[in-house]
Amino acid sequence: KNEVEQSPQNLTAQEGEFITINCSYSVGISALHWLQQHPGGGIVSLFMLSSGKKKHGRLIATINIQEKHSSLHITASHPRDSAVYICAVRSSYDKVIFGPGTSLSVIP
Amino acid sequence: ETGVTQTPRHLVMGMTNKKSLKCEQHLGHNAMYWYKQSAKKPLELMFVYNFKEQTENNSVPSRFSPECPNSSHLFLHLHTLQPEDSALYLCASSPWTGEAFFGQGTRLTVV
Repeated sequence: KNEVEQSPQNLTAQEGEFITINCSYSVGISALHWLQQHPGGGIVSLFMLSSGKKKHGRLIATINIQEKHSSLHITASHPRDSAVYICAVRSSYDKVIFGPGTSLSVIP
Repeated sequence: ETGVTQTPRHLVMGMTNKKSLKCEQHLGHNAMYWYKQSAKKPLELMFVYNFKEQTENNSVPSRFSPECPNSSHLFLHLHTLQPEDSALYLCASSPWTGEAFFGQGTRLTVV
């Protein structure tokens, strides 16, 4: 079992839909990151969380430390949101562990 | 544009070649990282440098040799690679405990 799991693995949505991507982890962490990787490889860091909730534009990220779970929400999804979304944690012993990624496709 | 620049963007090399990947950032970050992303696999952290000192080496084969001459530049020297080393190599930088900024990556093909 991987230390960082994501669901779903693949997701297709209609433009305008509300999207949720989940991340669960089994190790103690000091921080959790959500990354966005566009076709071609470029990666953008969306959020770094250690507690609570953060919002940036149409993106919202939440984390529940007790349940070892984080969610990334996209409101009013758009085709330009199509990308792979990666959850990564920095463990308490300072190791970075990546989830397998969720491939999102938003259809016009 | 994240402020982290990687060159080249694409590289094809033979198994007997020696080549280097370059990463540059002028964000004032202390830490720089090399990651490997193989097809259908999660990102793998290869090396971490903090203030030019290597702080992490995740059991990477010696055919990959990192160099960090200063806090703004990071190199990955490649020699006698194998076809299975073909992957996307990503560089990132961050304040030591802060959010990472990634480069666009170098798509490496070993033939």
